[in-house]
Amino acid sequence: AQTVTQSQPEMSVQEAETVTLSCTYDTSESDYYLFWYKQPPSRQMILVIRQEAYKQQNATENRFSVNFQKAAKSFSLKISDSQLGDAAMYFCAYREPYGGSQGNLIFGKGTKLSVKP
Amino acid sequence: GAVVSQHPSWVICKSGTSVKIECRSLDFQATTMFWYRQFPKQSLMLMATSNEGSKATYEQGVEKDKFLINHASLTLSTLTVTSAHPEDSSFYICSAASRRDTYSPLHFGNGTRLTVT
Repeated sequence: AQTVTQSQPEMSVQEAETVTLSCTYDTSESDYYLFWYKQPPSRQMILVIRQEAYKQQNATENRFSVNFQKAAKSFSLKISDSQLGDAAMYFCAYREPYGGSQGNLIFGKGTKLSVKP
Repeated sequence: GAVVSQHPSWVICKSGTSVKIECRSLDFQATTMFWYRQFPKQSLMLMATSNEGSKATYEQGVEKDKFLINHASLTLSTLTVTSAHPEDSSFYICSAASRRDTYSPLHFGNGTRLTVT
């Protein structure tokens, strides 16, 4: 079964600094999708960034970028120029193409990110 | 972007009563909807997967007679917590996927906070 592991329950970063959140996963599939979701205190799940496994190029969305290492099954999130609004729970998630587990998202346990002013 | 509306956002009910939570896809057809439960400071736990027009598939340990899921149309799925008890108090989140949206992230509702007194 696929699993997603986030080994950092909590992280802290100074405002304007850079922080990296770790995520590893286990799968025997070659085609899949990886996501980072942000969950602020409102508990709304907000998509931060996504990566298709067949793409070698790391995804980037403004201040957010990933380091995707397929062979190592690693998918870390880097937040640059951290802002107070980045404080939230961050969940790493894995998804198979539709038809595999019906496309369900498998979540890690999350990393709580605090941003210090 | 794709929008999923979840209602109510919060509900308080007495022990023994039933509560219905609705999840609607507003601008796309949701062939599959997922229902999650989230305990405080924990990750999302998949409860069940529902496909339009067919019976829901429940995860191991989830009582299908307690958590009734209906997905009667391509835009609406409902979760009914029957004979609710205080231990059912939790945060429930739905998400939806479109058959055409195979490789996209799931779209989440804003969640429902259920308190059973």
